[in-house]
Amino acid sequence: TQLLEQSPQFLSIQEGENLTVYCNSSSVFSSLQWYRQEPGEGPVLLVTVVTGGEVKKLKRLTFQFGDARKDSSLHITAAQPGDTGLYLCAGAVTAGGTSYGKLTFGQGTILTVHP
Amino acid sequence: EPEVTQTPSHQVTQMGQEVILRCVPISNHLYFYWYRQILGQKVEFLVSFYNNEISEKSEIFDDQFSVERPDGSNFTLKIRSTKLEDSAMYFCASSVAQGADNSPLHFGNGTRLTVT
Repeated sequence: TQLLEQSPQFLSIQEGENLTVYCNSSSVFSSLQWYRQEPGEGPVLLVTVVTGGEVKKLKRLTFQFGDARKDSSLHITAAQPGDTGLYLCAGAVTAGGTSYGKLTFGQGTILTVHP
Repeated sequence: EPEVTQTPSHQVTQMGQEVILRCVPISNHLYFYWYRQILGQKVEFLVSFYNNEISEKSEIFDDQFSVERPDGSNFTLKIRSTKLEDSAMYFCASSVAQGADNSPLHFGNGTRLTVT
C-alpha cells in the first residue's frame, strides 16, 4: 500500500506570509497532483508534476516534485485570505507501468489566512 | 467549463437498504472513477472503469459494490446492502485518457451518503 503523508495538517497564518506544505512517501509515484477543495465541493486540480525535480509555478504557488518522485511541496508566497482552503496532494499509482487513475491522497492541509 | 455532476447531493438510507449514486461524467471523457471520503479521513480510491469494464478496484470495493454505465451519459455506483460504515462522501471523477499523469481527473461535488 502506497501512503502519502501530508504536513502540516493545519496552518494558520497572517496575510502576506509565506508557507510550505509537504507531501512525503517512501513509495515512488508516476506523478503527483495538488488539489484544492472547498467545503461542499469536489477536489479541483491545481497542478500535476510528472518529472523528478520538476518545478511548476501558478501565480504565487510553486510546486516541486522531488528528484526521486517520492515527495512534493507546495509553496505559497505572500498568502492572501483568498488562499484559505483545504489543499490535497495525491500520487498517481501505477500497476505494471500503467496508471489507471488510481490516486493515493494525503490527509490534507487546512490553510487559514487571516487578513 | 464542462463539469462532472452528481445526484443526489445528499442521500439518507437505512442500514441494509440498497442505494444507487448517480454521476454524469464530462461528455468526451472515457475513463470513470469513484472515490469516497469518510468524515475526517483521506479521500480513498474505490474503482476505475473503462470500456464497460472495471480497470482496477480497491479492497474497499467488495461484492456489495457495483458500477454500471447504463447508457451513454450516466455512471452509477450501487451499494447492495448498506452498512453504517458506508457513510461517507462519494466522489465521481472522469478523465479523457487513462491515467492521471497526463490526463487530469475531474471530480464532481460528491454525494453525501448517510446510513442510519
